[in-house]
Amino acid sequence: SQKIEQNSEALNIQEGKTATLTCNYTNYSPAYLQWYRQDPGRGPVFLLLIRENEKEKRKERLKVTFDTTLKQSLFHITASQPADSATYLCALDMRSGSARQLTFGSGTQLTVLP
Amino acid sequence: DTAVSQTPKYLVTQMGNDKSIKCEQNLGHDTMYWYKQDSKKFLKIMFSYNNKELIINETVPNRFSPKSPDKAHLNLHINSLELGDSAVYFCASSQAGTRKTEQYFGPGTRLTVT
Repeated sequence: SQKIEQNSEALNIQEGKTATLTCNYTNYSPAYLQWYRQDPGRGPVFLLLIRENEKEKRKERLKVTFDTTLKQSLFHITASQPADSATYLCALDMRSGSARQLTFGSGTQLTVLP
Repeated sequence: DTAVSQTPKYLVTQMGNDKSIKCEQNLGHDTMYWYKQDSKKFLKIMFSYNNKELIINETVPNRFSPKSPDKAHLNLHINSLELGDSAVYFCASSQAGTRKTEQYFGPGTRLTVT
């Protein structure tokens, strides 16, 4: 079965720096890979989606890369702010029969220090 | 205004009881999901419904029974609650058949079984 690993459970960085979060998976590559943000006591919120034939996707201060050879996705937040502090989840978007199914990693808790 | 809503937000009950959690989405999506997030924050798919039809049914005890009266609603009924059922349950929705496969999550229902 597919396994997903996100780097360190917790990551602390200084405000203004670039945060880089890693998502590694085993077995076959998904058609899509998604990143979500989850704040305490709330549901995950969709941030970015990248397709298997895309190397990089950007949205404002966010950048996602997808390397199907390394079976890895990197998620970058540039010019990080304390408001970026949250848990970030990567999710593999796989087809399961007639359905699409997200398989989530355990998340990386990011803390941006002022 | 709320896209995906769940009730109740908190549910405290005793072992052996039967309880239900309700979910509604006003996004016009045709696919809805139930996820369980355990104490280690791992988010795992339980069920998925597309147009009121069950399409994903992960290895979940048959004490858990989802019901979808229409495309906008997906309820979760749990019989004979056990201590291990304590977790946060999230409902989510998405639109099948498009390239926008991102999911929209509700605020979660924190279930505590004592």
